[in-house]
Amino acid sequence: KAGVTQTPRYLIKTRGQQVTLSCSPISGHRSVSWYQQTPGQGLQFLFEYFSETQRNKGNFPGRFSGRQFSNSRSEMNVSTLELGDSALYLCASSRRLETEAFFGQGTRLTVV
Amino acid sequence: GESVGLHLPTLSVQEGDNSIINCAYSNSASDYFIWYKQESGKGPQFIIDIRSNMDKRQGQRVTVLLNKTVKHLSLQIAATQPGDSAVYFCAETGANNLFFGTGTRLTVIP
Repeated sequence: KAGVTQTPRYLIKTRGQQVTLSCSPISGHRSVSWYQQTPGQGLQFLFEYFSETQRNKGNFPGRFSGRQFSNSRSEMNVSTLELGDSALYLCASSRRLETEAFFGQGTRLTVV
Repeated sequence: GESVGLHLPTLSVQEGDNSIINCAYSNSASDYFIWYKQESGKGPQFIIDIRSNMDKRQGQRVTVLLNKTVKHLSLQIAATQPGDSAVYFCAETGANNLFFGTGTRLTVIP
C-alpha cells in the first residue's frame, strides 16, 4: 500500500513568488491535513480537508490556501512568499481526523 | 486555546535503558492522543495512540500513559536502542485539529 506522497521534495523560490505543493493521500483516506514545521516551532496546523471541503483552518494569513480534489489529492498554495515561509511543509492523511494520521516526507521550501 | 507542550526539549539515555518522554496538554475535552517519531529528513511516523477512555496502552517496546486528572501524557520506551534516536511529538485532537507539541529530541548513547 503506497504511503502519502508529497511533491516536490525540495523547492527554492524568491520573495514575492507563489508556490503550489501537492499531496497524494493513502488510498481510501479522505482527510488531508497540512502542517508547517520550522525549527523551534514544532508542527503548526494549516488546514484540514475532508471530501473536498475545508473543515478547519489554523492561524495562518490568507496567503496560505489549499484545496482538495475528488480523488482526495490536495494542493497547498502560498502566494507572495516571504522569507519566513521557509519551512518543511508536511501533509498527513487519515480515514477521518480522529484516527491515526500518516505523514508524507514533506516538501522543504526555501525562500530567498 | 488548546496547547500541547513538552517538559524537556532534550533527553539523553544510555543504550538499553528505559526512556520516558513527557507531554502536558491543556484541553480537557481532547479525546484522542498520538505519539509520533520524526527522524532527520523524514516526516513524523506514528508510534502509538490512546483514547481518553484508557489510561494505558502498550505496543512493542512502547507504552503510553494518560493521566486525565493532571492532563499529562507520557511515552515510555523500553530497552532504548540507537535507532530510537529521533524527535518525539505528542499530539492531541480537538476541534478538527491535531495539535502538536514542540517535540523532545531523544539521543541514545551507545
